[in-house]
Amino acid sequence: GQQLNQSPQSMFIQEGEDVSMNCTSSSIFNTWLWYKQDPGEGPVLLIALYKAGELTSNGRLTAQFGITRKDSFLNISASIPSDVGIYFCAGPHAGGTSYGKLTFGQGTILTVHP
Amino acid sequence: DAGVIQSPRHEVTEMGQEVTLRCKPISGHNSLFWYRQTMMRGLELLIYFNNNVPIDDSGMPEDRFSAKMPNASFSTLKIQPSEPRDSAVYFCASSLSHEQFFGPGTRLTVL
Repeated sequence: GQQLNQSPQSMFIQEGEDVSMNCTSSSIFNTWLWYKQDPGEGPVLLIALYKAGELTSNGRLTAQFGITRKDSFLNISASIPSDVGIYFCAGPHAGGTSYGKLTFGQGTILTVHP
Repeated sequence: DAGVIQSPRHEVTEMGQEVTLRCKPISGHNSLFWYRQTMMRGLELLIYFNNNVPIDDSGMPEDRFSAKMPNASFSTLKIQPSEPRDSAVYFCASSLSHEQFFGPGTRLTVL
């Protein structure tokens, strides 16, 4: 089945540092989604990517859809304490009857030290 | 829009009791997903509906779990009887395309 591998599993950084995480798959994805989950809350959609090579920004966040369509990257610039949380990549299952079912990566846990 | 609404936010119950979790999806969304999240297993898809019809329930752990979607604006996930290993955070999400929107979750503790 389709699997998404996220790395790193966890990151401990100082406030102000830039962060980079990625998501890879052995299968091709036509859409990549990046979510953030704050402690005690549900995942929130940060960025959606729909085209190979696409680079999209949302404030300090930038995500890229890999040209091979088998990977995606999320960068956070000038991290702040509220960036703490779990970041998930996700992509839709292949097949015409998936009705929006997503495969999720295992998540990257980000800790930011003030 | 208010987003996906889940209730209760927290539930503490004793082993053997029936638990019902509720979800109101975003108006206009036609797919609804129930997930369970634990430290050990991460985020697991339990069941999902499209146009109120269950499409895939292969993630439901066992017969103690059941889910219904009687109309486009309401779904329930029921556990009967509950067991301590069911303790987890349960999320409901809804979508119109691939972008799923999650509710705040129900934290279930079974003693």
